[in-house]
Amino acid sequence: GAVVSQHPSRVICKSGTSVKIECRSLDFQATTMFWYRQFPKQSLMLMATSNEGSKATYEQGVEKDKFLINHASLTLSTLTVTSAHPEDSSFYICSARPEGSNSPLHFGNGTRLTVT
Amino acid sequence: GEDVEQSLFLSVREGDSSVINCTYTDSSSTYLYWYKQEPGAGLQLLTYIFSNMDMKQDQRLTVLLNKKDKHLSLRIADTQTGDSAIYFCAETTGGGNKLTFGTGTQLKVEL
Repeated sequence: GAVVSQHPSRVICKSGTSVKIECRSLDFQATTMFWYRQFPKQSLMLMATSNEGSKATYEQGVEKDKFLINHASLTLSTLTVTSAHPEDSSFYICSARPEGSNSPLHFGNGTRLTVT
Repeated sequence: GEDVEQSLFLSVREGDSSVINCTYTDSSSTYLYWYKQEPGAGLQLLTYIFSNMDMKQDQRLTVLLNKKDKHLSLRIADTQTGDSAIYFCAETTGGGNKLTFGTGTQLKVEL
């Protein structure tokens, strides 16, 4: 149980375009999902907390207008990288835990974004 | 601070035990986790330990927690080539919802 699905797994886009990444909880509901970013050979850094039905909470230094987060249902959160630039190329990973539980976070398989 | 530190690299021979260490700083962490990441893949939860426990064993994996020293370790018995990956420890912060990850330890298993 507690499967988190992320799509797409890999995307290449041109500079200036926008890219949407989806994160789904397949067998549980989650009012909160988390988006992380990982640069090559580095650890994961929390970007934002996605809240179902309300605004996302962004970590310090993360531009909310650039990384748009929408959490429209209890099983889906989306991250849109707007006007992407090469420096946005990274590995983006979402995570969630079953609602009301104290269980550990489960992660999607990540999306590798390359901006050319 | 919320720095979680790990040694960057560990090399072991197949069949030996691997011990990956982690030092965390947030004494209020409720859970501490170990995740595995293979090249180009997401994170796989390996195991976790609640902060009131000293040890947890799950098949080949043994987690030791020393709260006094804020030290966490992961022991992999009979290490196999398939265990080669990056291992991240993580602690809960910010009321339990945030995870702060360590720097990651690259484990290389040699024949």
